[in-house]
Amino acid sequence: AQSVSQHNHHVILSEAASLELGCNYSYGGTVNLFWYVQYPGQHLQLLLKYFSGDPLVKGIKGFEAEFIKSKFSFNLRKPSVQWSDTAEYFCAVNPVSSGTYKYIFGTGTRLKVLA
Amino acid sequence: ETGVTQSPTHLIKTRGQQVTLRCSSQSGHNTVSWYQQALGQGPQFIFQYYREEENGRGNFPPRFSGLQFPNYSSELNVNALELDDSALYLCASSLWGAYSPLHFGNGTRLTVT
Repeated sequence: AQSVSQHNHHVILSEAASLELGCNYSYGGTVNLFWYVQYPGQHLQLLLKYFSGDPLVKGIKGFEAEFIKSKFSFNLRKPSVQWSDTAEYFCAVNPVSSGTYKYIFGTGTRLKVLA
Repeated sequence: ETGVTQSPTHLIKTRGQQVTLRCSSQSGHNTVSWYQQALGQGPQFIFQYYREEENGRGNFPPRFSGLQFPNYSSELNVNALELDDSALYLCASSLWGAYSPLHFGNGTRLTVT
């Protein structure tokens, strides 16, 4: 079955620390990849997306992610986190050939940034 | 641009009852998807609607049903509620196709007692 794994469920960092959140998926075909963020009390918002081309994609607020096809991974990175990055982060995969534009989400990573 | 709005925000129902949740799409969007997010889990795909027809369903029983209206708003109906239906229900709108990201509403928190 298609699935998405986010190995870090809770991450605590100090401001200015670097961040990397892991995301792996199981699907052999073409995929579109996304990271969504949910700030406290807010709705899920798109952080960045990958459809094709350069496997290193940049999103909002200084986030970036790298698609490594051979590893079925799409890890999220930020060189220096801020207190305002405290949120829950979800990786999502859309299998392009499925015929239905459904997203498969990981279980999320709660990030807490200490001021 | 108007975002995705969902109503109500919270709802408490008794096991066996029926519930209807509502969603207004972001302006310009023609596709609506519904997701269920249980506590501590990521959103799970329920189904998607385009041109007022269901286009794909996740692993949910037939007592979960939906509608899409000509103005692209949508309803999610759940019959014969079970305790395990307690969750956050998310509506997302998009343009039809694989390359239009989902835009989510704030969700409806359903509690079944």
